[in-house]
Amino acid sequence: GQSLEQPSEVTAVEGAIVQINCTYQTSGFYGLSWYQQHDGGAPTFLSYNALDGLEETGRFSSFLSRSDSYGYLLLQELQMKDSASYFCAVRAPNNNAGNMLTFGGGTRLMVKP
Amino acid sequence: DTAVSQTPKYLVTQMGNDKSIKCEQNLGHDTMYWYKQDSKKFLKIMFSYNNKELIINETVPNRFSPKSPDKAHLNLHINSLELGDSAVYFCASSLLLNEQFFGPGTRLTVL
Repeated sequence: GQSLEQPSEVTAVEGAIVQINCTYQTSGFYGLSWYQQHDGGAPTFLSYNALDGLEETGRFSSFLSRSDSYGYLLLQELQMKDSASYFCAVRAPNNNAGNMLTFGGGTRLMVKP
Repeated sequence: DTAVSQTPKYLVTQMGNDKSIKCEQNLGHDTMYWYKQDSKKFLKIMFSYNNKELIINETVPNRFSPKSPDKAHLNLHINSLELGDSAVYFCASSLLLNEQFFGPGTRLTVL
């Protein structure tokens, strides 16, 4: 099976940089995704890392180290609208057929003025 | 121009009732999913369909039955609702597994 760990809550101030870590244990691994979910909203895709290294998309970057079973999401120049929950999700083989996403428990980010 | 839509948005019902949630996507994706998000925001896959065929069924009680009349629709029927079924149910679709597009969710409350 798959298990993922990420901090339950992180607080930061506007304009700062915050890093949300994710460690995982899986039987098989294809890649790590990150999703953002505002309160009352739907999860929305942010990034996907299949290979080691840093992927940058605007203010958000995502990092993966396959050897350490570890990844993180880096948010720069924080804005109030970044207050949301952030989920890491592992793409790995499932028992039935093919592969699937298994989500972590989510990290609630609160951005303060 | 909605990408993934679900109806209803809210569903309040009594224990023991049967209810359905509908999902439609206009993205042309082959794969659709149902997820359950509980009160602690834990998001768990329930089912996945690819081109109308079931490919993932993750230890979901038999009371839950998905139906895919075509690849743009994936409906979820729930029999004999229980208190523990209260949650937000999300439909999603994808072309690539890692990038999934979620619907707005259906908040189910079982009384």
